Amino acid sequence: DVKVTQSSRYLVKRTGEKVFLECVQDMDHENMFWYRQDPGLGLRLIYFSYDVKMKEKGDIPEGYSVSREKKERFSLILESASTNQTSMYLCASSSRTGWNTEAFFGQGTRLTVV
Amino acid sequence: SQQGEEDPQALSIQEGENATMNCSYKTSINNLQWYRQNSGRGLVHLILIRSNEREKHSGRLRVTLDTSKKSSSLLITASRAADTASYFCATGLSGGSYIPTFGRGTSLIVHP
Repeated sequence: DVKVTQSSRYLVKRTGEKVFLECVQDMDHENMFWYRQDPGLGLRLIYFSYDVKMKEKGDIPEGYSVSREKKERFSLILESASTNQTSMYLCASSSRTGWNTEAFFGQGTRLTVV
Repeated sequence: SQQGEEDPQALSIQEGENATMNCSYKTSINNLQWYRQNSGRGLVHLILIRSNEREKHSGRLRVTLDTSKKSSSLLITASRAADTASYFCATGLSGGSYIPTFGRGTSLIVHP
């Protein structure tokens, strides 16, 4: 059974803290993605990665960075958490082979910054 | 930037009725995909339709694609309470590796 696993379902952090959200996939996928989801705004792409050590900015990268040291792991980093980063964060992965590939999602991390 | 936009934003129906939701997108696509999200969970892939296909079926799901109008529809027939979820369309950017871009979704409530 294919799997994308996010390290936490719920997380509460304080303003100014450095926050790490971890995502691991076991499908040997080249592509990995981080989205945030807010009511009324849908899913917005933060960062994505085509390969190890490669990263590309999505639509809303400000305040975030990412790390991909191994193919299976893609980390989202909030350098200094702020209350407006309170959101649901979703990680996904997909194969780069061909055009007609689906994305597999983790269960999501609901982050609250207080 | 959000490529796909679903319509309606919310849909409330009775069990046994059909549910139709629509998706419009802006640029050329290679394929269009529909996903489902149960409350507070990750998204699950439902069905993919290629740009050279017009209609596709999977169980109680029927998807159509009209590339001339840049639109797609998802029909769920004989809906069940368990179909209550949010539904998203996703399009991939052309010219490169597939990067799924989602709309705001349609929230479907099926009353038993």
